[in-house]
Amino acid sequence: EAAVTQSPRNKVAVTGGKVTLSCNQTNNHNNMYWYRQDTGHGLRLIHYSYGAGSTEKGDIPDGYKASRPSQENFSLILELATPSQTSVYFCASGDGGVGTGQLYFGEGSKLTVL
Amino acid sequence: GDSVTQKQGQVTLSEDDFLFINCTYSTTTYPTLFWYVQYPGQGPQLLLKVTTANNKGISRGFEATYDKGTTSFHLQKASVQESDSAVYFCALVASGYNKLTFGKGTVLLVSP
Repeated sequence: EAAVTQSPRNKVAVTGGKVTLSCNQTNNHNNMYWYRQDTGHGLRLIHYSYGAGSTEKGDIPDGYKASRPSQENFSLILELATPSQTSVYFCASGDGGVGTGQLYFGEGSKLTVL
Repeated sequence: GDSVTQKQGQVTLSEDDFLFINCTYSTTTYPTLFWYVQYPGQGPQLLLKVTTANNKGISRGFEATYDKGTTSFHLQKASVQESDSAVYFCALVASGYNKLTFGKGTVLLVSP
C-alpha cells in the first residue's frame, strides 16, 4: 500500500513567519507534488519534483519554495507566511511515467496564518 | 492552458438515487482523464481512469465515459449509498506531461 505522510498535520503561524511543511513517501516514487485545497478552487498545484534535487513550478508557485533533498522527502517552504496562504496542503507521490496520473495523497496539513 | 470544469458545487441525493456529475475539459492534447474521490478527513484517492485508448472507466459501481466530441467526462452511478458521500474531482493529465489538473470538485451528500 502506498504511503505518504505529512507533518505537521495542523499548524498555526503568524504573518511574516517561516513555515515548513514536510512530506515523506515510502513508495520509491520519482514524482512528488504539493497541492493546496481551498473551497471554490479545488486542488491547485504549487510545486512538483521529478526526483532528488529537482523542483518545478506548478500553477501557483508565488510565495512558496520547494526542496527535494532525497527520493523520499519533499518539503514546501513559506518564507514569509501571509493570511492568504491559510489552506489545507496536500502532498502526493506518483509512480508515473508521463501521463499515468495515479497519485497517492497524504492526509493533508491544515495551515492557519494569523 | 489545460482546464477542467465542474459546474455542480454540490449534489444532494437519497440512497438508491441515480448519480450524474458533469465534467468538461479543455486541452490542446489528447489527455488521460481521471475521477478522484475524497472522503472526509482524507486525501483524494483515485476512483477511475480513462485513456484515449479505452474511452470508458468502471470502478466500484461508478462509470465514466470519455467523449472527445463534446470534451466531456461525466461520472455516473446507478444507485448511490450513504457511504458514497464525499467530494468528487475530475482531473486530466495532458499527453506528454506529468502534471495533473483538477476541477473544483463536487460535494455529494447522500441521505439514508
